[in-house]
Amino acid sequence: DTGVSQNPRHKITKRGQNVTFRCDPISEHNRLYWYRQTLGQGPEFLTYFQNEAQLEKSRLLSDRFSAERPKGSFSTLEIQRTEQGDSAMYLCASSLSPGVKFFGPGTRLTVL
Amino acid sequence: AQRVTQPEKLLSVFKGAPVELKCNYSYSGSPELFWYVQYSRQRLQLLLRHISRESIKGFTADLNKGETSFHLKKPFAQEEDSAMYYCALSDYSGNTPLVFGKGTRLSVIA
Repeated sequence: DTGVSQNPRHKITKRGQNVTFRCDPISEHNRLYWYRQTLGQGPEFLTYFQNEAQLEKSRLLSDRFSAERPKGSFSTLEIQRTEQGDSAMYLCASSLSPGVKFFGPGTRLTVL
Repeated sequence: AQRVTQPEKLLSVFKGAPVELKCNYSYSGSPELFWYVQYSRQRLQLLLRHISRESIKGFTADLNKGETSFHLKKPFAQEEDSAMYYCALSDYSGNTPLVFGKGTRLSVIA
């Protein structure tokens, strides 16, 4: 286990298309977080799970965004009908509850 | 409201000079404060947290509740310290998501 992994690392899509990202947390971590980072900003919280339960969603998470963690292991983040404003780095982090959050390398989304 | 402010976008210092990266916060309860670092082409990683009271890579940070600050300091900067530094907070239990500042890019000039 080499840490949190995210796939794909880069995604280029056309406006209006749907995209899905995957995050694999550190295996024993029960908490999983999604963040978004745009140029010149720090990471901004989107949502988090404890095991398979989605416990909190930021108001940044519009109706076009949905996240799942079906078996309490990996998680997916889907964006429907992408817009140019969705272009960002999407970061995943995991932790034991409570505990230090460990981050993945991110998925960079570019919406043309 | 929870807020983390890093007033400097960019800080340039000469090798061997002291470094201070500023961080101020706003939080209604008891916070836990962190510094995360991102080196070029690497993932975000924890540098230090205030409850550990450790010195990591020569960096220290002291929580000043009166001034609501958590400034990061190092007496002698090294070229390998050049990176993006983010201050972040959560509640004291560590149960809430991290709230980040916008980050400060540290550039250490040889």
